[in-house]
Amino acid sequence: SSELTQDPAVSVALGQTVRITCQGDSLRSYYASWYQQKPGQAPVLVIYGKNNRPSGIPDRFSGSSSGNTASLTITGAQAEDEADYYCNSRDSSGNHLEVFGTGTKVTVL
Amino acid sequence: EVQLVESGGGLVQPGRSLRLSCTASGFTFGDYAMSWVRQAPGKGLEWVGFIRSKAYGGTTEYAASVKGRFTISRDDSKSIAYLQMNSLKTEDTAVYYCTRADHIWIVATIHYYYYYMDVWGKGTTVTVSS
Repeated sequence: SSELTQDPAVSVALGQTVRITCQGDSLRSYYASWYQQKPGQAPVLVIYGKNNRPSGIPDRFSGSSSGNTASLTITGAQAEDEADYYCNSRDSSGNHLEVFGTGTKVTVL
Repeated sequence: EVQLVESGGGLVQPGRSLRLSCTASGFTFGDYAMSWVRQAPGKGLEWVGFIRSKAYGGTTEYAASVKGRFTISRDDSKSIAYLQMNSLKTEDTAVYYCTRADHIWIVATIHYYYYYMDVWGKGTTVTVSS
């Protein structure tokens, strides 16, 4: 079972802002990464570290963290942002084992 | 172009073995850790394990679900990472992705190497069934 919990699904109106959250004890100590996966495609890294975007990722994607919760915010959501989003971080064991969140399906209305 | 290509997937009976390969191009393979991630049909992502670069010992870490059955290795001269899967179970059925894992040294409450998976292959499908 995953140690990182995400809401199963969220929806957002076109052009509006949506926040996707990821909760877990390990997030008090370790940064999360965020991945976007569209149907039939491999995941793509969208946010890593404190709030870093890989080259080619639009600046409408941003990350933040507070306590045991990491968040991915899409400001001005576009139709092409409709996808599954997964957080990823260390597990809470203290060893270098990693875990993915349960995933959030984002629907753009 | 930075690229990862997985191969070796297929149909295999429970209890048998399979070896996946991940061929890298477009970057200095030996400078990076490499990870494997899988996704069962209709399910979420599951981290399988990773191998550090030789500069960081070339050591490996595995998820509890595969530890003792799966082995990750690398051949830097060929730019290939491998996932050797033994004693396969039906629950190992999944698409297996190879990823490049870059890292940052974090100095905070805890000091640690933070790894993130910045390049992904398209995946190869493994079906374990009799």
